[in-house]
Amino acid sequence: EILLTQSPATLSLSPGERATLSCRASQSVSSNLAWYQQKPGQAPRLLIYEVSKRATGIPARFRGSGSGTDFTLTISSLEPEDFAVYYCQQRTSSPPSLTFGGGTQVEIK
Amino acid sequence: EVQLVESGGGLVKPGGSLRLSCAASGFSFSSYSMNWVRQAPGKGLEWISSISPGSRYIYYADSVRGRFTISRDNAQNSLYLQMNSLRGEDTALYFCARPVDMATIGFEYWGQGTLVTVSS
Repeated sequence: EILLTQSPATLSLSPGERATLSCRASQSVSSNLAWYQQKPGQAPRLLIYEVSKRATGIPARFRGSGSGTDFTLTISSLEPEDFAVYYCQQRTSSPPSLTFGGGTQVEIK
Repeated sequence: EVQLVESGGGLVKPGGSLRLSCAASGFSFSSYSMNWVRQAPGKGLEWISSISPGSRYIYYADSVRGRFTISRDNAQNSLYLQMNSLRGEDTALYFCARPVDMATIGFEYWGQGTLVTVSS
């Protein structure tokens, strides 16, 4: 089973600052990596899929990058609505499985 | 507009059973794989099961395999999760989710969730 480790657990930043979130897989996941944002009381929202493709309606300030086992979600300039929990997700085909990382809380400093 | 609406959650005793439903609308349900994801109170997301469009391919997380059964009725645009032998650790908000497309990781659409509480 592939494990996804997200770091840091909490990121304290101010609006306008750049946020860099990490997701590390225990083995290569190829391009099968997605990122989600979740706010309290809401369902997760897909931000990025296939490592770097922005989902419909997602602002350009959200950028996904990486390959193999190391992936990054960058928010270029934090807006007030970006303070939330972020999860990465991977999919493997052998054996078929999907896994979420433990999440990174981006909080207002 | 794509909509996913879960139902069927509630309070159940350990060892009990529950059947969740997810009613889909606004897209060609029979063309997409579908998934169940859960979130325990105050915890992260956990994928628990997937089913292919024609129900040929079904996958489960180790934590639920042998206890939960995913199914779908394409004629009714509905997804189901039969949960048996429920345990306290199954207490969670259960979401159904649809991916961007068949070949892509990424759950683009989610329901609002239905809460399952397992307690005596």
